Amino acid sequence: AQKVTQTQTSISVVEKTTVTMDCVYETRDSSYFLFWYKQTASGEIVFLIRQDSYKKENATVGHYSLNFQKPKSSIGLIITATQIEDSAVYFCAMREDNYAQGLTFGLGTRVSVFP
Amino acid sequence: EAAVTQSPRNKVAVTGGKVTLSCNQTNNHNNMYWYRQDTGHGLRLIHYSYGAGSTEKGDIPDGYKASRPSQENFSLILELATPSQTSVYFCASGEAWGGRDTQYFGPGTRLLVL
Repeated sequence: AQKVTQTQTSISVVEKTTVTMDCVYETRDSSYFLFWYKQTASGEIVFLIRQDSYKKENATVGHYSLNFQKPKSSIGLIITATQIEDSAVYFCAMREDNYAQGLTFGLGTRVSVFP
Repeated sequence: EAAVTQSPRNKVAVTGGKVTLSCNQTNNHNNMYWYRQDTGHGLRLIHYSYGAGSTEKGDIPDGYKASRPSQENFSLILELATPSQTSVYFCASGEAWGGRDTQYFGPGTRLLVL
């Protein structure tokens, strides 16, 4: 069975700095997909970035990037040049390569960005 | 313009009553999902659908039914609501690309069962 663990419950950072958050996963499949979502204070869940297990390059979208360490079953999210608006709860999720199965989510990391 | 919408956004129901949560998507995605979010459990999958006419059980389907009458619409039905079903419910749609399916979420429905 799939399992996703986010050990950091909350992180505080100063605006314009970099924040890194951790995620480890468990799967028996050789092909899987990893996702990061952000949940804003209003409750909205927004897709940020995805990493496919067969890709060696770390995914990057805007000021979000991933640190994919496959041997360690780890997928960290890095946010550079943080802004106040980056304050949110960040969820790591994964999915094995099964057609139309849902995502398995971690419990989330709350990030607070201060001026 | 929002591609996944949910109605109602807030609902108060009585124990034993019937509740229907609706979801509409304009992404033209084949796959749709229902999750619930609870403190300490995160988001958990209730039901999903491959397309119009199909519904499949997710990880926690007990007490819930689903209906997919069209590509755009996916409903979650609580025939006999219980207080344990008090939660925030999210609908999502996804491209039919197997595991690559990136899911896009609606704004959520907050349900309180008294």
